[in-house]
Amino acid sequence: GDSVTQMEGPVTLSEEAFLTINCTYTATGYPSLFWYVQYPGEGLQLLLKATKADDKGSNKGFEATYRKETTSFHLEKGSVQVSDSAVYFCANFGNEKLTFGTGTRLTIIP
Amino acid sequence: DSGVTQTPKHLITATGQRVTLRCSPRSGDLSVYWYQQSLDQGLQFLIQYYNGEERAKGNILERFSAQQFPDLHSELNLSSLELGDSALYFCASSVDQTGTAIYGYTFGSGTRLTVV
Repeated sequence: GDSVTQMEGPVTLSEEAFLTINCTYTATGYPSLFWYVQYPGEGLQLLLKATKADDKGSNKGFEATYRKETTSFHLEKGSVQVSDSAVYFCANFGNEKLTFGTGTRLTIIP
Repeated sequence: DSGVTQTPKHLITATGQRVTLRCSPRSGDLSVYWYQQSLDQGLQFLIQYYNGEERAKGNILERFSAQQFPDLHSELNLSSLELGDSALYFCASSVDQTGTAIYGYTFGSGTRLTVV
């Protein structure tokens, strides 16, 4: 069945550091891919998405490129801020449902 | 405000009791999903309803049940509560299967259940 494997956390970075959170997926066909973010005490919010191979999703300085050849959708940001501290979830939509990874807790220290 | 409304925001109850969590989906969305989020289990899919009918089941205990009403709001019923049921319960909605592939789910802010 469909699954998503993402980088285990927690991840701690200094402000302005470069961020990569790895995500790989298994699926039949070509699923749509998503990154969600959960800030403390809140629900999940859609951060970005890509619906086909080679698409790049971007939002709030975050980017992820749908790589069919490596079945990956890694999340990147060039310069993180304290306000980016949150839990990040990778997800794929296949077989009529959205499957989430386990989440990666990111902490940015000033 | 995501458009998905969950009530109550917080609930404290005793073991053995029964509670009902309520979710109103975003306007126009036909599907409702329930998730349980706990520290040790992460985000666990419980159940999905589409336009009033059960569509998919995940790791939902027999003590738990849900339904979706004609006005599309949904309720999650948790009975014979145990300490281990303490968690955040999220509801999400989506327009339909095709829309979900493009827009994903919209989540509510959750109900925090504490069983004492």
